[in-house]
Amino acid sequence: DSGVTQTPKHLITATGQRVTLRCSPRSGDLSVYWYQQSLDQGLQFLIQYYNGEERAKGNILERFSAQQFPDLHSELNLSSLELGDSALYFCASSVGRTPEAFFGQGTRLTVV
Amino acid sequence: GQQVMQIPQYQHVQEGEDFTTYCNSSTTLSNIQWYKQRPGGHPVFLIQLVKSGEVKKQKRLTFQFGEAKKNSSLHITATQTTDVGTYFCADPLQGGSEKLVFGKGMKLTVNP
Repeated sequence: DSGVTQTPKHLITATGQRVTLRCSPRSGDLSVYWYQQSLDQGLQFLIQYYNGEERAKGNILERFSAQQFPDLHSELNLSSLELGDSALYFCASSVGRTPEAFFGQGTRLTVV
Repeated sequence: GQQVMQIPQYQHVQEGEDFTTYCNSSTTLSNIQWYKQRPGGHPVFLIQLVKSGEVKKQKRLTFQFGEAKKNSSLHITATQTTDVGTYFCADPLQGGSEKLVFGKGMKLTVNP
């Protein structure tokens, strides 16, 4: 158990809908990262927060947004969903810059 | 942004064989991390290399950081079926930012 909790584990939704994925980092970790992993694809970096502030952004679509709350949990919002958004979404946390990142179990999103 | 490149992307070995996988960057890395993702699982941190020419061992796994800090290798001795999974290298400070950017991974399968 990495100590990072992601909910829900599975999500099935229709095209055009909006979903929210939640991540609770390990106790004491201030950084949260979000990744998208499609079939046979690598881990695509989406966005990173540190202590409530956005610190780095990857190729995150405009339909996607995220935030980190004062209690350090984070949410990834995906809207106007398309079939191609079906993927495994991982959250990871770390103490700060460069220390190892601990990954959650992921949320498997299926858009139908 | 610049990504670390991993070669090969796929590796199939016979149980008991040795093999090496590589991670290359066109720019100098501050440090490099390696992760392993078992089938159906989430990425798990293996190691971080910081110094030029650094070599670290974990049982049958040997990790090396190049002298110029532009490449890294992972060597597995006497491969076992438990080694199956995808191995990722990651640049935790891509372009000086706080992005934790992963290579596309090397998927290892082992023939028992």
